Amino acid sequence: NAGVTQTPKFQVLKTGQSMTLQCAQDMNHEYMSWYRQDPGMGLRLIHYSVGAGITDQGEVPNGYNVSRSTTEDFPLRLLSAAPSQTSVYFCASSYDGRWNTEAFFGQGTRLTVV
Amino acid sequence: AQSVAQPEDQVNVAEGNPLTVKCTYSVSGNPYLFWYVQYPNRGLQFLLKYITGDNLVKGSYGFEAEFNKSQTSFHLKKPSALVSDSALYFCAVRDRSGNTGKLIFGQGTTLQVKP
Repeated sequence: NAGVTQTPKFQVLKTGQSMTLQCAQDMNHEYMSWYRQDPGMGLRLIHYSVGAGITDQGEVPNGYNVSRSTTEDFPLRLLSAAPSQTSVYFCASSYDGRWNTEAFFGQGTRLTVV
Repeated sequence: AQSVAQPEDQVNVAEGNPLTVKCTYSVSGNPYLFWYVQYPNRGLQFLLKYITGDNLVKGSYGFEAEFNKSQTSFHLKKPSALVSDSALYFCAVRDRSGNTGKLIFGQGTTLQVKP
């Protein structure tokens, strides 16, 4: 059972470059989300999706796009990388986004923008 | 606003001793609380959750958590610590103020278990 799989695990980008962080889950979860983890700021929600074809913004969406064409996949796109986007990114999925459901996290992508 | 707080940045215990990692919460309505663990360079792993019922919740790897409504606390515990329990621990609650499903995390507590 793979759970939530993120690729790549590490990435270095130059300022202005674009890239896509991949996320896939095999648990048939409806709800998926992206967080970034920064020292002293904890985990912050970037974007989320409550099902295929439906996405919405979290608390720090600027500079990022998402799409959800299938239940399994939820890629995160950085449009034009900036040093402020240096962070560790986590994808998470859960059965739904309701209050009593736990989330399952991928292993993270450590992104450095130079 | 919903929030969780972990008052200790770091907890140090000797192997074999009991451990407690503290969490307090502020939520409207019934609290649904979670504990996650993060090992170095790894993602967050779900340990346990409190939904309703028994105030003592048992989870993975021998961990348990005690829910105390009067003290608004949800402390993580383990009777006998292992060196391999050394990691970063997060308490969390789902945000109810909107429809994002966002998890609100405490700032995290680093647990160091020394042999």
